[in-house]
Amino acid sequence: KQEVTQIPAALSVPEGENLVLNCSFTDSAIYNLQWFRQDPGKGLTSLLLIQSSQREQTSGRLNASLDKSSGRSTLYIAASQPGDSATYLCAAANTGGFKTIFGAGTRLFVKA
Amino acid sequence: SQTIHQWPATLVQPVGSPLSLECTVEGTSNPNLYWYRQAAGRGLQLLFYSVGIGQISSEVPQNLSASRPQDRQFILSSKKLLLSDSGFYLCAWSVPAPGGGKLFFGSGTQLSVL
Repeated sequence: KQEVTQIPAALSVPEGENLVLNCSFTDSAIYNLQWFRQDPGKGLTSLLLIQSSQREQTSGRLNASLDKSSGRSTLYIAASQPGDSATYLCAAANTGGFKTIFGAGTRLFVKA
Repeated sequence: SQTIHQWPATLVQPVGSPLSLECTVEGTSNPNLYWYRQAAGRGLQLLFYSVGIGQISSEVPQNLSASRPQDRQFILSSKKLLLSDSGFYLCAWSVPAPGGGKLFFGSGTQLSVL
């Protein structure tokens, strides 16, 4: 049974800092790994998706990496801004891609 | 472009009352559809997923059921709500694999059972 863990649970950083969010998963037989952003009381917005055959994906100031052998993914946020404040969730999809298991998220606060 | 609609945004229901949450997707055909529940301060728990009309897979034994009467319509129901059914319910869709798997979420329904 796939389990996804995110560390840290919460993070507070000053504006402009580069930061790394960590995600680990127990079953390396994944179809893809996704990173999402969730604002309070809102739905989830997909940030990056890494297919199992890929090692990383980039979008603007965001870079996500995937190491299936170690069961880890990281989300790197460059030059953080107050608008980045949100909860970030990672999720691993099983082979076939129709069962996606989520971590509990990292709550990020970027101070102006 | 594809859009997903979920309603209502908030719902307050008494214990023992029925529930019906609806989700529809536009702009795509034969999507995979999902219902997730998020307890306060926690990650998302997969409740049901569907790969086609009338095809429902349940992930967690519980007081809820799901139905897919049309290709792009997904309904979450309960005959009698429990206090433990309170939470934030999210509908999502994805393009069937291979090549898909990216999840797109609705805006969610905050359900309070009192």
